[in-house]
Amino acid sequence: DIQMTQSPSSLSASVGDRVTITCRASQSISTYLNWYQQKPGKAPNLLIYSTSALQSGVPSRFSGSGSGTDFTLTISSLQPEDFATYYCQQSYNTPYTFGQGTKLETK
Amino acid sequence: QVQLQESGPGLVKPSETLSLICTVSGGSIGSYYWSWIRQSPGKGLEWIGHIYYSGSTNYNPSLESRVTISVDTSKNQFSLNLSSVTAADTAVYYCARHLRPSYSYSGMDVWGQGTTVTVSS
Repeated sequence: DIQMTQSPSSLSASVGDRVTITCRASQSISTYLNWYQQKPGKAPNLLIYSTSALQSGVPSRFSGSGSGTDFTLTISSLQPEDFATYYCQQSYNTPYTFGQGTKLETK
Repeated sequence: QVQLQESGPGLVKPSETLSLICTVSGGSIGSYYWSWIRQSPGKGLEWIGHIYYSGSTNYNPSLESRVTISVDTSKNQFSLNLSSVTAADTAVYYCARHLRPSYSYSGMDVWGQGTTVTVSS
């Protein structure tokens, strides 16, 4: 299985901050990398697919980059509704695997 | 827009079979891949397997010996059976649709709300 490792596991930030979350794959996954946001008691919500494509309806302050094994999710200016847990997921091959999550908390 | 709804027992006894159904509304089950994912505090998000509307399946090897996913296109539903459950199978179970038609190597853009299944006697 491809292991996905996110860092940091938790992050404290303030509204307006620029935030970057990193995801590393245990082997090359080309650009088959997706990002989700999850709020307590809710299902994950697809933010970005194929490394950098913004899912419909997702604000443009979210962006993604990377290729191979190293990827980043950036929130350009944090909004109150962005405090949540973020997961990366590889869809390069099965079994699809997720990172352990990054919890974004208010400072 | 397409919506998914999981249904099934919230409590399953050890060694029995967990059975869930995902009902697709607002669109057709055709032309897409459909996955089951579970989430537990101990193991995070775990992909269980997926099915194409035609019935072809792909399972996580860690669960393959116990998992069956099937589809009923006439009812716009797909289902999950997980046999010989233990406490380790206690989790929130989600069904989800893969983003692009006829393509499984994409993110999952539509998710059910999730259903909590507890394995306990």
